[in-house]
Amino acid sequence: QQQVKQSPQSLIVQKGGISIINCAYENTAFDYFPWYQQFPGKGPALLIAIRPDVSEKKEGRFTISFNKSAKQFSLHIMDSQPGDSATYFCAASYNNDMRFGAGTRLTVKP
Amino acid sequence: GAVVSQHPSWVICKSGTSVKIECRSLDFQATTMFWYRQFPKQSLMLMATSNEGSKATYEQGVEKDKFLINHASLTLSTLTVTSAHPEDSSFYICSARRARGPTLDTEAFFGQGTRLTVV
Repeated sequence: QQQVKQSPQSLIVQKGGISIINCAYENTAFDYFPWYQQFPGKGPALLIAIRPDVSEKKEGRFTISFNKSAKQFSLHIMDSQPGDSATYFCAASYNNDMRFGAGTRLTVKP
Repeated sequence: GAVVSQHPSWVICKSGTSVKIECRSLDFQATTMFWYRQFPKQSLMLMATSNEGSKATYEQGVEKDKFLINHASLTLSTLTVTSAHPEDSSFYICSARRARGPTLDTEAFFGQGTRLTVV
């Protein structure tokens, strides 16, 4: 059973545009929602994370929007740059249990 | 952020041999580490949870005799792929979280991954 559903599978955005990736979860016990960025051949790196007591968190060009009632959260990348081209994973965590979405391959065209 | 170092970053081995992958937390103690497997263009699949000083907890469908995990110290966990076969070729990634009392800190730090190719 896939506990975290992520979409789209791939995304192509022009430089300067907004990239939006969406995730939905099932288990209401999850209390920590991170986003990871992964470049080819490398391990994932934490990008930004949110807890369910806030609806939005912004760090530089990256924003997480969180909708607790809908059990959905999304990543917005403003002013997308070619260097942002990578695979992005959302995750949901509770205690020792962290589940990942399927990933979104983002390509930012110059 | 904290650093998790994984070694080697890539390895090629012959079918039937065993390969050991190390995962170290360099600047914090990790009582619990996690081992993931990632196929090309796919997500991370949790294989097992490695607990310092005790047996690892394996996810359903993961062969514990095939993937031996040892967590001998607070900063080191090892994954040994025994009698490797070509179907074991994959990208293996470890992660660690700081201990915070009886629970784990929420932030997970990942190693750089190990590309295993079995020929």
